Parts: sequence; C-alpha cells; structure tokens
Amino acid sequence: GQQLNQSPQSMFIQEGEDVSMNCTSSSIFNTWLWYKQDPGEGPVLLIALYKAGELTSNGRLTAQFGITRKDSFLNISASIPSDVGIYFCAGATMNRDDKIIFGKGTRLHILP
Amino acid sequence: GAGVSQSPSNKVTEKGKDVELRCDPISGHTALYWYRQSLGQGLEFLIYFQGNSAPDKSGLPSDRFSAERTGGSVSTLTIQRTQQEDSAVYLCASSLAVGGGGETQYFGPGTRLLVL
Repeated sequence: GQQLNQSPQSMFIQEGEDVSMNCTSSSIFNTWLWYKQDPGEGPVLLIALYKAGELTSNGRLTAQFGITRKDSFLNISASIPSDVGIYFCAGATMNRDDKIIFGKGTRLHILP
Repeated sequence: GAGVSQSPSNKVTEKGKDVELRCDPISGHTALYWYRQSLGQGLEFLIYFQGNSAPDKSGLPSDRFSAERTGGSVSTLTIQRTQQEDSAVYLCASSLAVGGGGETQYFGPGTRLLVL
C-alpha cells in the first residue's frame, strides 16, 4: 500500500532555532496536511495544502506542497518551548475513495 | 458540539474484560476513523466508516476488535477479552468525506486505555 516517509524521526534543538521536517511519497498526492500532537492530546491540524507549489504560512510555521506532488515540508522558525510535540504529515491521493494516510511523525524536543 | 468528542477519556480495565469506546464526530461529517497510538508512537489505522458502512476494516488487529456506527453519527469501538497489549490511546477522527477535497480529518482527544 501507499506509504509516507517522514523525516527526521526525532529532533533535539535549542530554543530559538529553526526546524525543518519533510515527507515524501512514491505516489502523487493532491492534498498535504500537517498536524501537531501535544502530549496527552489528539492531533490538531496546522496547515492544509491543496495545490502543487503552494506555500502557506501560519504564524511561525511555513509548509510547502512540492512541485512533483510527491513531497511536502514544514518549517518552524524561532522555536519556542510550546513547539514540543509530535508533528505528523498526511496525504490524500486523487482517488475519491482513498482515505488520507499519515506519516510516522517527527518528535520535536527542545533542550533547556 | 464544535469538535470530535470521545468517551471515556480514560479507562482502566482488567485483562479479559470487554471495553466499549465511544466517538461523537463533528456534525455533518460522513467519514469517521479510528486509530490506535502506543506511547510516543505514530498513528495505527484501525477502521473507517463512510456513513454507517465500513469499507476498510484492514487495520483491526484481531477478531476481538469490532466497531459500529449507527445513524451516520456516533461510533463505538469494542474490544473483547482485553489483553495488556491493547493498552494505548484510541483516537477518533472525522471528515466531511473520504476524498474529493473533504478529506481533512479532525481528531478527538482520545481515550487512554490501560489493561492491567
């Protein structure tokens, strides 16, 4: 079946650093989604991308839908302690009957 | 309510007992999904519903797991004869549709199941 490769699996950074994570797929997607999950909570949608090449920002977050339609990245600028959590990418294909699939997550840790 | 709700928020049970987990999706969402998440891990897909039917049950780990959805709204996930390895967070999500642009899923807070 289809799979998303999300990397890195985990990151340890200093507060104030920028963060970058990405997802790639062997399939073409027509939607990319990025979620964040805080400890003890369900995932919350951060950014949704619907068009190849689309670059969308949400505060300190920026995400792009790759031109090839097979990848997406999420950047976080000037990280702060509340950015800690698990970030999931998710993608949907052109097939109306296909459910979206999730990457395995990037665990972001901020060092004191 | 405005979002997806799940109950109970926490459940502790003894090995061998049955448990029932409930999900209330966002009103008007036709698609409903169940996931399982072990501590600090990714999302393991279990089953999804389109309306009241379940086109994809491929993720159910064993025949001890079952789910139903009635009235196109509330869904229950039942685990029979629970085992310790069933301990996890069970997340429910809903979306307007499975695909065609309405596939963005919105998650509930999860039910934390602990099997002793």
